[in-house]
Amino acid sequence: AQSVTQLDSHVSVSEGTPVLLRCNYSSSYSPSLFWYVQHPNKGLQLLLKYTSAATLVKGINGFEAEFKKSETSFHLTKPSAHMSDAAEYFCVVSLPLFGGYNKLIFGAGTRLAVHP
Amino acid sequence: GAVVSQHPSRVICKSGTSVKIECRSLDFQATTMFWYRQFPKQSLMLMATSNEGSKATYEQGVEKDKFLINHASLTLSTLTVTSAHPEDSSFYICSARDRVSGGMYEQFFGPGTRLTVL
Repeated sequence: AQSVTQLDSHVSVSEGTPVLLRCNYSSSYSPSLFWYVQHPNKGLQLLLKYTSAATLVKGINGFEAEFKKSETSFHLTKPSAHMSDAAEYFCVVSLPLFGGYNKLIFGAGTRLAVHP
Repeated sequence: GAVVSQHPSRVICKSGTSVKIECRSLDFQATTMFWYRQFPKQSLMLMATSNEGSKATYEQGVEKDKFLINHASLTLSTLTVTSAHPEDSSFYICSARDRVSGGMYEQFFGPGTRLTVL
């Protein structure tokens, strides 16, 4: 069965310091993995995705994530946090279904707080 | 491109009434749309998969007679919460599936609808 575990419900960093949001996945085959960001009362925006190409994936707004099969991890990082990065972040695994459809399975989310 | 809108953004209704939420793909045609529900400070849970011209596929535990889904065109899916109760208060988010580079599909999310049932 496919699932994702976000290891931290809350992360707090100072502006200008690195960000690390941790995600572990469980999948019976090579997964497609995503990170989405959600600002308060807003929809979701795709930050980046891994789909069996390069294991280091670069996304928008300076975020990147590395797929590590041996550790079943897909941690999200950013070298320097901005105040505007404060939001909820979701790690997501895609479950392929019959007929070519994919079902997205969301992690519980990590709330990132950025302090001046 | 790949913009999804939802209407209304917020709705307050009385218990026992029905509420319709619209999800539109603005610049692409979507044969498949998805409806999610998000309780405060929780993750998104898939409620149903909406397919244009056919019946929606509901996730286990979601009442199809309570959450009516209609996907009558390639750019519009609607979710109707019938006989709403306070426990139906939630943030409802839709997404629409579009083909992206490499021939793969990606879901694009709407901004969500905040439903409050009094």
